Amino acid sequence: SAVISQKPSRDICQRGTSLTIQCQVDSQVTMMFWYRQQPGQSLTLIATANQGSEATYESGFVIDKFPISRPNLTFSTLTVSNMSPEDSSIYLCSVESPGGRNTIYFGEGSWLTVV
Amino acid sequence: AQRVTQPEKLLSVFKGAPVELKCNYSYSGSPELFWYVQYSRQRLQLLLRHISRESIKGFTADLNKGETSFHLKKPFAQEEDSAMYYCALSGGGGYNKLIFGAGTRLAVHP
Repeated sequence: SAVISQKPSRDICQRGTSLTIQCQVDSQVTMMFWYRQQPGQSLTLIATANQGSEATYESGFVIDKFPISRPNLTFSTLTVSNMSPEDSSIYLCSVESPGGRNTIYFGEGSWLTVV
Repeated sequence: AQRVTQPEKLLSVFKGAPVELKCNYSYSGSPELFWYVQYSRQRLQLLLRHISRESIKGFTADLNKGETSFHLKKPFAQEEDSAMYYCALSGGGGYNKLIFGAGTRLAVHP
């Protein structure tokens, strides 16, 4: 299994500012994923982040709005840039199980409210 | 297009009653299907996946390719089963991004 820690767990942000969410994993993993869960909705994949390469973004998400870093095999960051109230969501980091495929573990999420 | 449909937002049953949470999918290849659960104030966690053909906490789910369904079933619901349940699809092939359904909230009443 993998233990995932996210920071911050919750924040209230001012419109127009940017916030960086950190994701730390207790073991080395190849693939890390960032999801968004808007209020009352399901999870939507933002991007996939592999160490040593550019993140791959899903349709509707762009690097300028959601820049991602993946400096090593245990850490990633997601920045939500120039925030608006529509960005109020839970942002979740997830990883593929170390040494095994098709088991995805999730962090507790970072709950952002933009005012 | 790849899509996962969970038609019920809320399923409300009494303790001891059978439960079936519906999930239908749309995928052109051979998908891998999962059920994830989120209990109150806890993180999302894997409940079961079709390739394992296992029973977890009394829940089972069978992949029906003809009906493109992966319904989650339990013969006797317990209060502790109350949670949000998400059906998810992966395209497999080593690429594990998940496509989630909208989720069904299961409420089990005493």
